[in-house]
Amino acid sequence: KAGVTQTPRYLIKTRGQQVTLSCSPISGHRSVSWYQQTPGQGLQFLFEYFSETQRNKGNFPGRFSGRQFSNSRSEMNVSTLELGDSALYLCASSDTNYGYTFGSGTRLTVV
Amino acid sequence: EDQVTQSPEALRLQEGESSSLNCSYTVSGLRGLFWYRQDPGKGPEFLFTLYSAGEEKEKERLKATLTKKESFLHITAPKPEDSATYLCAVQAYSGAGSYQLTFGKGTKLSVIP
Repeated sequence: KAGVTQTPRYLIKTRGQQVTLSCSPISGHRSVSWYQQTPGQGLQFLFEYFSETQRNKGNFPGRFSGRQFSNSRSEMNVSTLELGDSALYLCASSDTNYGYTFGSGTRLTVV
Repeated sequence: EDQVTQSPEALRLQEGESSSLNCSYTVSGLRGLFWYRQDPGKGPEFLFTLYSAGEEKEKERLKATLTKKESFLHITAPKPEDSATYLCAVQAYSGAGSYQLTFGKGTKLSVIP
């Protein structure tokens, strides 16, 4: 059974640009959650999608957005990048809200 | 607001030296408490879920326990390959059929041969 796949693994962007990250959940899982991980703040919840609908959102500015497709694959977008957006972005998939399987993450560096 | 505090932030152990990691929490309506292991540059790897006070789970050298206010991850006779950051997270209902994980900042464990 394939795990959670995140692409790309590494990304370098310039301040002011925008970026799109992708997450393919475990087959059959309909819930996808996104987290930002930084050394200072740890893992912080961004948002959760279930059956193409955002049903929960963390305390992040509107520059952070996401969507989910009918095949449960999800993307998150960050517009007008700031240096502070440099982080490891993690995606987790779940089938029942009882267990969460994480991907390896996308390391975003903003210069 | 849900809060999770892990201690210590970092722990160095000699191989074979048993110890415990602590996770204290305040949450409205705890549904579950999760322990994850994270290696550098990788995503968190699931270890345990605990659902009610008094519950215990074991896996190899690890044992997790839960009380009403905290959880412990006991490591018995650790080996160098147990070196990693251990993360604790609480799961609570956040509305619209959704449950949210709130993570602690982790304990970085180093096991010295």
